[in-house]
Amino acid sequence: SQQGEEDPQALSIQEGENATMNCSYKTSINNLQWYRQNSGRGLVHLILIRSNEREKHSGRLRVTLDTSKKSSSLLITASRAADTASYFCASNWFSGGYNKLIFGAGTRLAVHP
Amino acid sequence: NAGVMQNPRHLVRRRGQEARLRCSPMKGHSHVYWYRQLPEEGLKFMVYLQKENIIDESGMPKERFSAEFPKEGPSILRIQQVVRGDSAAYFCASSPIIRGEDTEAFFGQGTRLTVV
Repeated sequence: SQQGEEDPQALSIQEGENATMNCSYKTSINNLQWYRQNSGRGLVHLILIRSNEREKHSGRLRVTLDTSKKSSSLLITASRAADTASYFCASNWFSGGYNKLIFGAGTRLAVHP
Repeated sequence: NAGVMQNPRHLVRRRGQEARLRCSPMKGHSHVYWYRQLPEEGLKFMVYLQKENIIDESGMPKERFSAEFPKEGPSILRIQQVVRGDSAAYFCASSPIIRGEDTEAFFGQGTRLTVV
């Protein structure tokens, strides 16, 4: 299977705490992307990190990438109840002239007020 | 600029019927991806299309499933003779012409298919 894996599968924290989610993938990539999905809704793109980058920030989000271990992590700092959602990583191949996004199984984050 | 539009949002079909799911990509996007999501699971790649071409259908079941992206009109995912196991959320994503590594995909809200 091309599918990556994420851990933990579920994470429950209090508002104000940091949330860290990890992702592993199986193939060489051009970039890795993180998406968020609210219950019953579509996916929203959060951040993209290229294969030659090691760390990237966007607001309260911090993403790291370790291509030697084929892994990435997403850190959400100072979490809020509104951050409650499922978070997916997607490894992106660029081969044969097109991109192919392969998603992990996701981490379900619950932030309690 | 409207986002990726999928319809219907919810579709109920009896076993043996056909399900037809539509996806209109964002304006200017010529690449469409279809994904399937089972409850509490991630998205499974099904098919990638450009206008009038199927580029990669490695995730499509060999039977009953087909996809098209005609020159005019939306992309269609067609499931013939549906079975209960086809019940899932089907997401469409679009992206612009590939310029290199940094292309992100924009997702629709999905079609939730229920087979009864």
